[in-house]
Amino acid sequence: GENVEQHPSTLSVQEGDSAVIKCTYSDSASNYFPWYKQELGKRPQLIIDIRSNVGEKKDQRIAVTLNKTAKHFSLHITETQPEDSAVYFCAASISGNAGNMLTFGGGTRLMVKP
Amino acid sequence: DSGVTQTPKHLITATGQRVTLRCSPRSGDLSVYWYQQSLDQGLQFLIQYYNGEERAKGNILERFSAQQFPDLHSELNLSSLELGDSALYFCASSVLVGPLHFGNGTRLTVT
Repeated sequence: GENVEQHPSTLSVQEGDSAVIKCTYSDSASNYFPWYKQELGKRPQLIIDIRSNVGEKKDQRIAVTLNKTAKHFSLHITETQPEDSAVYFCAASISGNAGNMLTFGGGTRLMVKP
Repeated sequence: DSGVTQTPKHLITATGQRVTLRCSPRSGDLSVYWYQQSLDQGLQFLIQYYNGEERAKGNILERFSAQQFPDLHSELNLSSLELGDSALYFCASSVLVGPLHFGNGTRLTVT
């Protein structure tokens, strides 16, 4: 089955700096790659997603890049703010007739210092 | 609010007992997914249903079972509970190939 590795496990940045989180996946058939933000004790919330026919997607301060050849994708957060502090999860799936079952990475705890 | 409703929010029970967790998906979503998140751990996929039928199975223990009813709500049954089953259990729903939207979870504590 699919295996998703995520790095780093913790990341500390100064407010205003950029943060980058990287993930690799194992199954070349995976075609859908979402990112979720989870605050302590809360539900994971989708922040951005990308499909395999697109190399990059941006939404305000958040961007995701995908390299299908290398089987890795990354989350970029610019101009970080204290409210960006949370655990971020990447995921991969083979989205199709069988549904959209996600395999998650292990998570990255992002701390933004004011 | 994601539109996915999970009940109860908290559940405290003893080892060896059986519990049922309930999930109502967003309006229009036919797929329901169950995930387990242990303390400071990632999200482990348990099982997926689509329009009442099982579609995918993860590392779900034999002591655990689930089903999706005609009104599309789903229940996750956990039996012969062990201390290690203590975790947050999330339900998510989606249209077949759409993004997953998570409920607020049920926190299960086994004592």
